[in-house]
Amino acid sequence: SAVISQKPSRDICQRGTSLTIQCQVDSQVTMMFWYRQQPGQSLTLIATANQGSEATYESGFVIDKFPISRPNLTFSTLTVSNMSPEDSSIYLCSVVTGSGYTFGSGTRLTVV
Amino acid sequence: TQLLEQSPQFLSIQEGENLTVYCNSSSVFSSLQWYRQEPGEGPVLLVTVVTGGEVKKLKRLTFQFGDARKDSSLHITAAQPGDTGLYLCAGEGDSSYKLIFGSGTRLLVRP
Repeated sequence: SAVISQKPSRDICQRGTSLTIQCQVDSQVTMMFWYRQQPGQSLTLIATANQGSEATYESGFVIDKFPISRPNLTFSTLTVSNMSPEDSSIYLCSVVTGSGYTFGSGTRLTVV
Repeated sequence: TQLLEQSPQFLSIQEGENLTVYCNSSSVFSSLQWYRQEPGEGPVLLVTVVTGGEVKKLKRLTFQFGDARKDSSLHITAAQPGDTGLYLCAGEGDSSYKLIFGSGTRLLVRP
């Protein structure tokens, strides 16, 4: 299965600022996904990042708040913009290959 | 909208006990997966079930997919402290490759 390197692993940010999270995969993958996991809760899909086209956002998530880049088949970034304390969560990237789904270790974001 | 309800939310048991976690929906899923997540890590895939009525075993863990492919269960025999973690079920939804996660079951196995 694919190996994902996600960074940063954690960060504490001031409200109103932005944070960019990076996800690097050790093999080329067509589809990458970004999830949010709020404290003590399950995972919610934010968007699907496709190489060569705009990301597809789920209901409740918008591009202005969570811009995504996918410059090639092994890399993606998610930016959390104009942060507020409500954005404090774990953000995870994921890919799907023939072996199934693999998740990064997550970025624990605290907004103060 | 496809939803997955997972129960129980929390489970604290003694080492050696058995337990079952349930994952239910009113929707049909093409496949259902079970993950375990430990603090500071992403979810790790345990098993994927695809066929209605399918049963898969992974050491002391037994996974079952309902005949109608709307529900699933995870049974752990003789739980050990190493089984402690957050267990998540996830179904592949209407659109290919999009996972819908259950609410999760937080398991604590006390030595």
